[in-house]
Amino acid sequence: TQLLEQSPQFLSIQEGENLTVYCNSSSVFSSLQWYRQEPGEGPVLLVTVVTGGEVKKLKRLTFQFGDARKDSSLHITAAQPGDTGLYLCAGVHGNKLVFGAGTILRVKS
Amino acid sequence: NAGVTQTPKFRVLKTGQSMTLLCAQDMNHEYMYWYRQDPGMGLRLIHYSVGEGTTAKGEVPDGYNVSRLKKQNFLLGLESAAPSQTSVYFCASSSNRGNSPLHFGNGTRLTVT
Repeated sequence: TQLLEQSPQFLSIQEGENLTVYCNSSSVFSSLQWYRQEPGEGPVLLVTVVTGGEVKKLKRLTFQFGDARKDSSLHITAAQPGDTGLYLCAGVHGNKLVFGAGTILRVKS
Repeated sequence: NAGVTQTPKFRVLKTGQSMTLLCAQDMNHEYMYWYRQDPGMGLRLIHYSVGEGTTAKGEVPDGYNVSRLKKQNFLLGLESAAPSQTSVYFCASSSNRGNSPLHFGNGTRLTVT
């Protein structure tokens, strides 16, 4: 079992729809990072959340860190084909960075 | 802005062969990492380094060795490749181990037959 569980594993939606991706754990993290990975490339950092309850926005993407710092969510408004990719969450636990298995998002035009 | 560069991009090995994956970063980062990425399992840490001349084991170190002779380079070696090592390998670097983001290379796709 993974320390960080991401859901759903795969999501296929139409352009313009909204979606939410979840990253859950029973452990507390000092911070949590979200990455996006496109085919043939390495992951690229989108955001880092540090404080429980913190909300960060990046254009149409909204990231939230749970109050207890055990979970996080990524909400995308009006998804576009350019949002297609693998979304990974990664939590800092002790002195280690632990990755979830990722959510594959496909946005169809 | 090269960032993190990995070579080669693709490689096919036969069981028992050896090879070295090269990683170079130009950001003067102290920390460097090697991950493998397999479907449904996310990124798993193989080995990492906290500075020139240092290396440490990660989550899945067996069958791999690493060296960090220069600050900018981190090498991953497979002495005797096995089919279970078929994967996509990513090198990453960061300025420290806390909340600092990882900067990844574009990966090496390795197939062991």
